[in-house]
Amino acid sequence: QSALTQPASVSGSPGQSITISCTGTSSDVGGYNYVSWYQQHPGKAPKLMIYGVSNRPSGVSNRFSGSKSGNTASLTISGLQAEDEADYYCTSYTRISSVVFGGGTKLTVL
Amino acid sequence: QLQLQLSGPGLVKPSETLSLTCSVSGGSISSTTYYWGWIRQPPGKGLEWIGSIYYSGSTYYCPSLKSRVTIFLDTPLNHFSLNLRSVTAADTAVYYCARGGPLTGVLDAFDIWGQGTMVTVSS
Repeated sequence: QSALTQPASVSGSPGQSITISCTGTSSDVGGYNYVSWYQQHPGKAPKLMIYGVSNRPSGVSNRFSGSKSGNTASLTISGLQAEDEADYYCTSYTRISSVVFGGGTKLTVL
Repeated sequence: QLQLQLSGPGLVKPSETLSLTCSVSGGSISSTTYYWGWIRQPPGKGLEWIGSIYYSGSTYYCPSLKSRVTIFLDTPLNHFSLNLRSVTAADTAVYYCARGGPLTGVLDAFDIWGQGTMVTVSS
């Protein structure tokens, strides 16, 4: 299985909104509503931010939102804050009952 | 509050077997709808799913690692384990255990993670 495609980096200023894309195929992202997003700060374990394309676990800020169109999922962070600076990874459930990660996106808050 | 605690050697010789255990506290490993997963991250690189095991014992593996991986449950001890055979330097990574499934019913959406442990493959 091939990794999902994410931009290597994105950046934004405090208060702005940014969107990170995650492109797969009809065998993963496009075929199931099982896309998740994780935030990872340096040296820390990943934290689940979005599951099921657009659902937020309890305790995750509503500044984080997810969506999907066709084979591409997106994570949007609104009202950027300094603590949002981190790596972000998408995942998808796949046709062969596996999980595939995206390559990761480094978010820089300017 | 369910917690996951990883244990295992930090150094493994090439061609040998990497073995890690993830102990579950604050909950039962036999709870329905839970998938127990292993994920790794080579230094400076992204995350890679290794595989997961359902509470019933059904296993799911990354296709590229399937020939070398075994994941199994130890229900009495409330932990699950990873064996990765015939390791090379490419298997050097931080290894994480995680719980999936409770939010979606499938093996994704890992909502609870262990602390991660660095495993180096070197002679």
